[in-house]
Amino acid sequence: DVKVTQSSRYLVKRTGEKVFLECVQDMDHENMFWYRQDPGLGLRLIYFSYDVKMKEKGDIPEGYSVSREKKERFSLILESASTNQTSMYLCASSLGRGQTQYFGPGTRLLVL
Amino acid sequence: GENVEQHPSTLSVQEGDSAVIKCTYSDSASNYFPWYKQELGKGPQLIIDIRSNVGEKKDQRIAVTLNKTAKHFSLHITETQPEDSAVYFCAAGGQGAQKLVFGQGTRLTINP
Repeated sequence: DVKVTQSSRYLVKRTGEKVFLECVQDMDHENMFWYRQDPGLGLRLIYFSYDVKMKEKGDIPEGYSVSREKKERFSLILESASTNQTSMYLCASSLGRGQTQYFGPGTRLLVL
Repeated sequence: GENVEQHPSTLSVQEGDSAVIKCTYSDSASNYFPWYKQELGKGPQLIIDIRSNVGEKKDQRIAVTLNKTAKHFSLHITETQPEDSAVYFCAAGGQGAQKLVFGQGTRLTINP
């Protein structure tokens, strides 16, 4: 079974803090994704990566950056957290183009 | 870019009845349409998908239909059971696309 793990299930941070969300997949998948999930808005793509050190902006990249130094790990970085970044963050991975995306359990982030 | 609309946002059905969730998409180049189920406290999990070379696909109590002309696709769940209660998301992606665009989600409740 594909396993996608996220470093934290719940996080509470202060406005202005730098926040790191980590995601690891164990199936040698090429593609990795970061989404945020908000009620009534579904899943919105923040960034994705199709190879080590490669990244592409999704639909809502503002206020976020990413890092992929190793194939199995994809990090989402909030340089200076703001209250409007309070959300559920979901990581996913897929073997290749047009392939099934497998999701992690999510990190619920609260920014105070 | 692609836009996916999903209806209804909430759906309540009696156990044993059928449930139908509908999605429309805007980009005629999209040809991959997965459906994900998200249970409480978990990440979304693929339950069925369809590609544009077929009009219908069935897997036990779950079926998906696709109308490319009208640019809409639907999820049908028959003989609903309490464990079908969850949030369901549709999504659309293009040929060999690395990214998916998700609908807003439908919260399905099965009443005993």
